Amino acid sequence: SQKIEQNSEALNIQEGKTATLTCNYTNYSPAYLQWYRQDPGRGPVFLLLIRENEKEKRKERLKVTFDTTLKQSLFHITASQPADSATYLCALDRRSNTGKLIFGQGTTLQVKP
Amino acid sequence: EAQVTQNPRYLITVTGKKLTVTCSQNMNHEYMSWYRQDPGLGLRQIYYSMNVEVTDKGDVPEGYKVSRKEKRNFPLILESPSPNQTSLYFCASSLSQGQRNNEQFFGPGTRLTVL
Repeated sequence: SQKIEQNSEALNIQEGKTATLTCNYTNYSPAYLQWYRQDPGRGPVFLLLIRENEKEKRKERLKVTFDTTLKQSLFHITASQPADSATYLCALDRRSNTGKLIFGQGTTLQVKP
Repeated sequence: EAQVTQNPRYLITVTGKKLTVTCSQNMNHEYMSWYRQDPGLGLRQIYYSMNVEVTDKGDVPEGYKVSRKEKRNFPLILESPSPNQTSLYFCASSLSQGQRNNEQFFGPGTRLTVL
């Protein structure tokens, strides 16, 4: 069956370090993948989109990679700050004409000062 | 300000009492969607709409209804709520049905408790 997996355990890192979050998927061939940030009790906010023919995408301190062979996306936050503490969700396209996304459960990142 | 709004933000109700959660967007988006978010299960799609008068089931549609009479509004209706519909609900919208790589804009969420 189709599955998206994000590490359910919280990731704790020290301020200034690089945070790396993982999104693995099985039995999908998504055309693109998105990453969202979600703060407690609030709606997800879009961060980055990467297409299947792109290996890497950057936006300020954020970097996303997409390896369709490994069926994995990595999300990096460099020079992390306590304000980066949140839950990060990956979402995959289902290759349909409906624009439907399927979301992972999210990984909570805690950046300690 | 471009946004998706939902009302109410919090609701406590009893089993069987019909309720409606409203969703409105001011970005002229064609695509709108409802999700529920539960611990350990992530965001699951309930219903979506690709345009006015066009709606379709998502992954967990049982017990819910929607309508899309106007482009900006996409209400979620629970005809006879049950305790297993206690959840955090999000409405989302995106630009166009034809562009599958559009980011989704989410509302602030509605926390529903059914006793």
